[in-house]
Amino acid sequence: DAGITQSPRHKVTETGTPVTLRCHQTENHRYMYWYRQDPGHGLRLIHYSYGVKDTDKGEVSDGYSVSRSKTEDFLLTLESATSSQTSVYFCAISEGTGGGTAFFGQGTRLTVV
Amino acid sequence: AQKVTQAQTEISVVEKEDVTLDCVYETRDTTYYLFWYKQPPSGELVFLIRRNSFDEQNEISGRYSWNFQKSTSSFNFTITASQVVDSAVYFCALSEAAKTGANNLFFGTGTRLTVIP
Repeated sequence: DAGITQSPRHKVTETGTPVTLRCHQTENHRYMYWYRQDPGHGLRLIHYSYGVKDTDKGEVSDGYSVSRSKTEDFLLTLESATSSQTSVYFCAISEGTGGGTAFFGQGTRLTVV
Repeated sequence: AQKVTQAQTEISVVEKEDVTLDCVYETRDTTYYLFWYKQPPSGELVFLIRRNSFDEQNEISGRYSWNFQKSTSSFNFTITASQVVDSAVYFCALSEAAKTGANNLFFGTGTRLTVIP
Protein backbone atom coordinates (compact mmCIF):
# COMPACT_ATOMS: atom_id res chain seq x y z
CA ASP A 1 0.00 0.00 0.00
CA ALA A 2 1.12 3.52 -0.78
CA GLY A 3 2.30 5.35 2.32
CA ILE A 4 -0.43 7.95 2.66
CA THR A 5 -1.88 9.00 5.99
CA GLN A 6 -4.81 11.34 6.40
CA SER A 7 -5.66 13.00 9.67
CA PRO A 8 -8.06 13.22 11.27
CA ARG A 9 -10.10 10.31 9.94
CA HIS A 10 -13.34 11.71 11.31
CA LYS A 11 -14.28 15.19 12.38
CA VAL A 12 -17.43 17.01 13.38
CA THR A 13 -17.25 20.77 13.39
CA GLU A 14 -19.58 23.72 13.63
CA THR A 15 -20.53 26.05 10.83
CA GLY A 16 -18.18 29.00 10.58
CA THR A 17 -15.18 27.38 12.23
CA PRO A 18 -11.88 26.81 10.43
CA VAL A 19 -10.83 23.24 9.74
CA THR A 20 -7.54 21.83 8.51
CA LEU A 21 -7.09 18.34 7.12
CA ARG A 22 -3.65 16.86 6.77
CA CYS A 23 -2.22 14.48 4.23
CA HIS A 24 1.17 12.94 4.87
CA GLN A 25 3.07 10.72 2.41
CA THR A 26 6.20 8.65 2.78
CA GLU A 27 6.62 7.93 -0.95
CA ASN A 28 8.40 11.17 -1.89
CA HIS A 29 5.94 11.63 -4.78
CA ARG A 30 5.91 14.99 -6.48
CA TYR A 31 2.16 15.38 -6.99
CA MET A 32 -0.49 15.52 -4.30
CA TYR A 33 -4.24 16.06 -4.59
CA TRP A 34 -7.34 16.69 -2.53
CA TYR A 35 -10.67 15.31 -3.71
CA ARG A 36 -14.11 15.31 -2.15
CA GLN A 37 -16.63 12.52 -2.57
CA ASP A 38 -20.34 13.21 -2.50
CA PRO A 39 -23.29 11.00 -3.43
CA GLY A 40 -24.21 11.39 -7.08
CA HIS A 41 -20.98 13.21 -7.92
CA GLY A 42 -18.24 10.64 -7.64
CA LEU A 43 -14.97 12.30 -6.67
CA ARG A 44 -14.13 15.85 -7.61
CA LEU A 45 -10.78 17.58 -7.49
CA ILE A 46 -10.46 20.46 -5.03
CA HIS A 47 -6.80 21.48 -5.28
CA TYR A 48 -3.58 19.85 -6.27
CA SER A 49 0.14 20.40 -5.82
CA TYR A 50 2.92 19.82 -8.34
CA GLY A 51 5.76 20.61 -5.98
CA VAL A 52 6.65 22.32 -2.73
CA LYS A 53 4.78 25.63 -2.60
CA ASP A 54 3.33 24.94 -6.08
CA THR A 55 -0.43 24.49 -6.00
CA ASP A 56 -3.37 25.03 -8.29
CA LYS A 57 -7.15 24.93 -8.23
CA GLY A 58 -9.30 22.05 -9.23
CA GLU A 59 -12.93 21.75 -10.20
CA VAL A 60 -14.47 22.67 -6.82
CA SER A 61 -11.95 24.94 -5.09
CA ASP A 62 -14.28 27.66 -3.73
CA GLY A 63 -14.11 27.82 0.06
CA TYR A 64 -10.88 25.83 0.27
CA SER A 65 -7.21 26.68 0.45
CA VAL A 66 -4.14 24.47 0.48
CA SER A 67 -0.52 24.62 1.45
CA ARG A 68 2.51 22.47 0.83
CA SER A 69 5.65 23.52 2.69
CA LYS A 70 7.29 20.09 2.55
CA THR A 71 7.22 17.32 -0.02
CA GLU A 72 5.52 14.96 2.38
CA ASP A 73 2.70 17.17 3.67
CA PHE A 74 -0.31 18.68 1.90
CA LEU A 75 -2.82 20.59 4.01
CA LEU A 76 -6.40 21.39 3.09
CA THR A 77 -8.06 24.26 4.97
CA LEU A 78 -11.70 25.22 5.13
CA GLU A 79 -11.47 28.82 6.26
CA SER A 80 -15.06 28.96 7.47
CA ALA A 81 -16.80 25.62 7.24
CA THR A 82 -20.30 25.40 5.78
CA SER A 83 -22.78 22.54 5.74
CA SER A 84 -22.21 22.12 2.00
CA GLN A 85 -18.66 21.07 2.83
CA THR A 86 -19.87 18.02 4.69
CA SER A 87 -18.22 15.28 2.66
CA VAL A 88 -15.59 12.59 2.55
CA TYR A 89 -12.20 14.01 1.64
CA PHE A 90 -9.53 11.96 -0.04
CA CYS A 91 -5.90 12.77 -0.49
CA ALA A 92 -4.00 11.21 -3.38
CA ILE A 93 -0.42 11.10 -4.59
CA SER A 94 1.16 10.34 -7.94
CA GLU A 95 4.53 10.32 -9.60
CA GLY A 96 5.53 10.80 -13.19
CA THR A 97 3.98 13.16 -15.67
CA GLY A 98 0.56 13.00 -17.25
CA GLY A 99 -0.89 9.61 -16.59
CA GLY A 100 0.95 8.64 -13.44
CA THR A 101 -1.29 6.45 -11.34
CA ALA A 102 -2.88 8.17 -8.36
CA PHE A 103 -2.98 6.30 -5.06
CA PHE A 104 -5.44 7.38 -2.42
CA GLY A 105 -5.43 7.78 1.31
CA GLN A 106 -8.09 6.27 3.57
CA GLY A 107 -10.29 9.34 3.53
CA THR A 108 -11.53 11.82 6.13
CA ARG A 109 -15.22 12.06 6.92
CA LEU A 110 -16.05 15.66 7.77
CA THR A 111 -19.42 16.70 9.11
CA VAL A 112 -20.28 20.37 9.45
CA VAL A 113 -23.24 20.99 11.76
CA ALA B 1 -14.37 19.61 -21.49
CA GLN B 2 -13.81 16.27 -19.90
CA LYS B 3 -16.63 14.03 -18.87
CA VAL B 4 -17.02 10.45 -17.70
CA THR B 5 -20.41 8.74 -17.73
CA GLN B 6 -21.24 5.60 -15.85
CA ALA B 7 -24.88 5.13 -16.73
CA GLN B 8 -25.39 2.10 -14.49
CA THR B 9 -25.99 3.39 -11.00
CA GLU B 10 -26.53 0.00 -9.39
CA ILE B 11 -26.18 -3.57 -10.59
CA SER B 12 -27.04 -6.79 -8.76
CA VAL B 13 -25.88 -10.20 -9.93
CA VAL B 14 -25.90 -13.66 -8.48
CA GLU B 15 -22.55 -15.12 -7.57
CA LYS B 16 -20.67 -16.73 -10.48
CA GLU B 17 -22.47 -14.62 -13.07
CA ASP B 18 -20.45 -12.39 -15.38
CA VAL B 19 -21.06 -8.64 -15.22
CA THR B 20 -19.94 -5.71 -17.34
CA LEU B 21 -19.64 -2.18 -16.03
CA ASP B 22 -19.91 0.50 -18.67
CA CYS B 23 -17.83 3.66 -18.94
CA VAL B 24 -18.12 6.30 -21.65
CA TYR B 25 -15.81 9.29 -21.72
CA GLU B 26 -15.48 12.61 -23.50
CA THR B 27 -12.27 14.49 -24.14
CA ARG B 28 -10.81 16.73 -26.80
CA ASP B 29 -7.25 15.68 -26.13
CA THR B 30 -5.50 13.05 -28.21
CA THR B 31 -3.38 12.04 -25.22
CA TYR B 32 -5.33 10.91 -22.21
CA TYR B 33 -5.45 8.17 -19.61
CA LEU B 34 -8.25 6.01 -18.32
CA PHE B 35 -8.52 4.34 -14.95
CA TRP B 36 -10.75 2.06 -12.94
CA TYR B 37 -10.89 2.17 -9.15
CA LYS B 38 -12.74 -0.03 -6.71
CA GLN B 39 -14.26 1.27 -3.47
CA PRO B 40 -15.27 -1.60 -1.18
CA PRO B 41 -17.64 -1.06 1.75
CA SER B 42 -14.66 -0.18 3.95
CA GLY B 43 -14.32 3.03 1.94
CA GLU B 44 -10.80 3.05 0.56
CA LEU B 45 -10.11 3.53 -3.14
CA VAL B 46 -8.21 0.70 -4.77
CA PHE B 47 -6.49 1.18 -8.12
CA LEU B 48 -7.36 -1.51 -10.67
CA ILE B 49 -6.05 -0.47 -14.06
CA ARG B 50 -4.57 2.36 -16.09
CA ARG B 51 -4.73 2.70 -19.87
CA ASN B 52 -3.30 5.36 -22.15
CA SER B 53 -5.04 6.58 -25.27
CA PHE B 54 -2.50 5.01 -27.60
CA ASP B 55 -2.95 1.50 -26.30
CA GLU B 56 -6.22 -0.08 -27.32
CA GLN B 57 -5.26 -3.61 -26.43
CA ASN B 58 -7.71 -5.31 -24.16
CA GLU B 59 -6.36 -6.41 -20.84
CA ILE B 60 -7.11 -9.40 -18.66
CA SER B 61 -6.09 -9.83 -15.06
CA GLY B 62 -7.49 -12.94 -13.48
CA ARG B 63 -11.29 -12.61 -13.46
CA TYR B 64 -11.08 -8.96 -14.54
CA SER B 65 -10.92 -7.76 -18.12
CA TRP B 66 -11.12 -4.37 -19.76
CA ASN B 67 -12.28 -3.42 -23.24
CA PHE B 68 -11.01 -0.07 -24.50
CA GLN B 69 -12.59 1.19 -27.73
CA LYS B 70 -11.64 4.67 -28.93
CA SER B 71 -14.20 4.50 -31.73
CA THR B 72 -17.02 4.50 -29.18
CA SER B 73 -15.11 6.35 -26.41
CA SER B 74 -15.71 3.47 -24.06
CA PHE B 75 -13.64 1.68 -21.47
CA ASN B 76 -15.76 -1.15 -20.12
CA PHE B 77 -14.90 -3.46 -17.26
CA THR B 78 -16.00 -7.09 -17.06
CA ILE B 79 -15.86 -9.34 -14.03
CA THR B 80 -16.08 -13.02 -14.86
CA ALA B 81 -17.56 -15.49 -12.39
CA SER B 82 -18.37 -12.77 -9.86
CA GLN B 83 -17.78 -13.31 -6.17
CA VAL B 84 -19.23 -11.72 -3.08
CA VAL B 85 -15.90 -9.95 -2.49
CA ASP B 86 -16.46 -8.07 -5.75
CA SER B 87 -19.31 -6.16 -4.13
CA ALA B 88 -18.19 -2.53 -4.21
CA VAL B 89 -18.60 0.78 -5.95
CA TYR B 90 -16.52 0.96 -9.12
CA PHE B 91 -15.32 4.25 -10.53
CA CYS B 92 -14.08 4.99 -14.01
CA ALA B 93 -11.84 8.06 -14.35
CA LEU B 94 -10.13 10.10 -17.04
CA SER B 95 -7.05 12.30 -16.93
CA GLU B 96 -5.46 14.44 -19.57
CA ALA B 97 -1.86 15.50 -19.94
CA ALA B 98 -1.66 18.62 -17.78
CA LYS B 99 1.01 21.27 -18.33
CA THR B 100 2.17 20.79 -14.76
CA GLY B 101 2.46 17.05 -15.29
CA ALA B 102 -0.17 16.43 -12.65
CA ASN B 103 -2.65 13.61 -13.02
CA ASN B 104 -5.93 15.41 -12.39
CA LEU B 105 -8.67 12.82 -12.48
CA PHE B 106 -12.25 13.31 -13.64
CA PHE B 107 -14.43 10.61 -12.17
CA GLY B 108 -17.71 9.09 -13.20
CA THR B 109 -20.43 8.87 -10.59
CA GLY B 110 -19.69 5.21 -9.96
CA THR B 111 -21.55 1.91 -10.29
CA ARG B 112 -22.53 0.04 -7.15
CA LEU B 113 -22.16 -3.69 -7.75
CA THR B 114 -23.83 -6.13 -5.39
CA VAL B 115 -23.02 -9.79 -5.75
CA ILE B 116 -25.65 -11.98 -4.14
CA PRO B 117 -24.47 -15.31 -2.71
